[in-house]
Amino acid sequence: EVQLLESGGGLVQPGGSLRLSCVASGFTFTTFAMSWVRQAPGKGLEWVSSISGRGGSTDYGDSVRGRFTISRDNPKNTLYLQMNSLRVEDTAIYYCAKGGRYTSVDSWGHGTLVTVSS
Amino acid sequence: EIVLTQSPGTLSLSPGEGATLSCRASQTVSSNYLAWYQQKSGQAPRLLIYDASSRATGIPDRFSGSGSGTDFTLTISRLEPEDFAVFFCHQYGTLPYSFGQGTKLEIK
Repeated sequence: EVQLLESGGGLVQPGGSLRLSCVASGFTFTTFAMSWVRQAPGKGLEWVSSISGRGGSTDYGDSVRGRFTISRDNPKNTLYLQMNSLRVEDTAIYYCAKGGRYTSVDSWGHGTLVTVSS
Repeated sequence: EIVLTQSPGTLSLSPGEGATLSCRASQTVSSNYLAWYQQKSGQAPRLLIYDASSRATGIPDRFSGSGSGTDFTLTISRLEPEDFAVFFCHQYGTLPYSFGQGTKLEIK
């Protein structure tokens, strides 16, 4: 069974930084692209970023490019999202997702809440 | 960016009825890379349909997807009480990937 467990969310001031982590299990991690998708409170889904299985290719949404960095540690089965220069509008639940790079997302974590507020 | 517009915004139906949800893209969706997700309150989304018409593992056959190019449809036949939720379409063929704004399927 695929399991994705996010951590690292919390309250941060505008301009601050946060690093999210996602530990994966139940599948061969290095074989699959991984993604982050977020959802602002009461709103729809927004694709944030994706990374290829080996980590050599990354993609970003326009709203986070230059501020967020996606990475992965395959021996540790862990996906990361480094978020810098955070804005109030980055407030959302951040979901770790299996797939999502020219494939559908077929599994989702439960999400971690990031709140950007002064 | 490909904008996905879902209609209707809210659909009120009774269990046992059929539902038709629409997703229209502002440009052709490459390779028909279009997925549908169901999200219940307080939960993560669940994949229902990928590549426009392929059912995901474990999804009942009352869920079906169709369409190509810019017009896509999710059809749910014989609604069950557990089917009521919010549904999102998602294109993953062209960067930046995008989601529709969602259709809320509520019990009438």
